Amino acid sequence: DSGVTQTPKHLITATGQRVTLRCSPRSGDLSVYWYQQSLDQGLQFLIQYYNGEERAKGNILERFSAQQFPDLHSELNLSSLELGDSALYFCASSVGPGGASYEQYFGPGTRLTVT
Amino acid sequence: KNQVEQSPQSLIILEGKNCTLQCNYTVSPFSNLRWYKQDTGRGPVSLTIMTFSENTKSNGRYTATLDADTKQSSLHITASQLSDSASYICVVTSGAGSYQLTFGKGTKLSVIP
Repeated sequence: DSGVTQTPKHLITATGQRVTLRCSPRSGDLSVYWYQQSLDQGLQFLIQYYNGEERAKGNILERFSAQQFPDLHSELNLSSLELGDSALYFCASSVGPGGASYEQYFGPGTRLTVT
Repeated sequence: KNQVEQSPQSLIILEGKNCTLQCNYTVSPFSNLRWYKQDTGRGPVSLTIMTFSENTKSNGRYTATLDADTKQSSLHITASQLSDSASYICVVTSGAGSYQLTFGKGTKLSVIP
């Protein structure tokens, strides 16, 4: 158990809908990262927050947005969902800002299925 | 364009044998290289993190090497166990304040009895 929690574990929704994924980092970690893993694309970095501020952006679509709250938990919002958004979404946390050699601890993931 | 290539794509070995996985990258400027182990359907687990100045790093039966001149890294697994069956992913970080993560597609390792 990494100490990172993600809810829900599974989510099934229809195209065009909007969903929110939630992540709580390990105690003491200030950074939260979001990743998408689909069968054909592998792991992709979406976005990172450090102590409430956006720190780095990867291949995040404009339909997706995220934020980190004062209690350091984070939410990833996915809107106008398409079939291709079906994937595993992972959250990770680290004590320091991204880019540096801080260990990242991954949560168990949320499996999103868009029908 | 930043790229990370891993080889082989998949590998089957007998329990108790050693194996080496490869990672070649064209990422600039280099910050660090990470190896992760990912069991199917679960979150990746960090094995090693290496910066530019580190050539070798070990974590139990896992030993990673880095050659920053040739931009190659390898992950050596010694005395493999059935529990080593997983995907192994190489990730390279570029930049500093504003950084990018480039992921390899992974090597799927199967250890059989």
